[in-house]
Amino acid sequence: AQSVTQLGSHVSVSEGALVLLRCNYSSSVPPYLFWYVQYPNQGLQLLLKYTTGATLVKGINGFEAEFKKSETSFHLTKPSAHMSDAAEYFCAVSLANAGGTSYGKLTFGQGTILTVHP
Amino acid sequence: DAGITQSPRHKVTETGTPVTLRCHQTENHRYMYWYRQDPGHGLRLIHYSYGVKDTDKGEVSDGYSVSRSKTEDFLLTLESATSSQTSVYFCAIKSAGHYEQYFGPGTRLTVT
Repeated sequence: AQSVTQLGSHVSVSEGALVLLRCNYSSSVPPYLFWYVQYPNQGLQLLLKYTTGATLVKGINGFEAEFKKSETSFHLTKPSAHMSDAAEYFCAVSLANAGGTSYGKLTFGQGTILTVHP
Repeated sequence: DAGITQSPRHKVTETGTPVTLRCHQTENHRYMYWYRQDPGHGLRLIHYSYGVKDTDKGEVSDGYSVSRSKTEDFLLTLESATSSQTSVYFCAIKSAGHYEQYFGPGTRLTVT
């Protein structure tokens, strides 16, 4: 079974500052990892994903994340925060297919609300 | 836009009444999922489908049932709604051979 922990339910940054949202996972097999963003009263939008290959992945809106197997982490970063980045962010994991039985089911972290101050 | 709609978008119902939520997709995706979102819990999987008439339980399936009689529709039913089922419900889809899921706009359900 897999699990996801997002450190910090609320993160506050100033506009222009570095954004760092932390995600750690546990999984018995190599995982697929995702970050989603949710704006108020909307559904979830995919920011980026890691499946295989390059461990530093770039996503939309200037976000990127690095898969570190030794640390079981997949932290999300953005060099310079913008007011429009204020939202809730979710880290999620699914298991790599093992005989096609995972069905892509996602396990989510509890979410981190990002506030950006002028 | 993954062509996913959910209906209704908002519903208020009384304890003990049956409720059915509908997820409709237009792009023939194989996999469909129902999640519920509650503060402090993120999203949790209720049920999922890997084909027409092929469904299975997720993490929080008690009190819920699903049906998928055709590719484009995935129905979530609360046989007898309880206040603990007040939540926001999201449908998601995934294509075979792809890794990511795409989410619908959500249904906000209040059980009084």
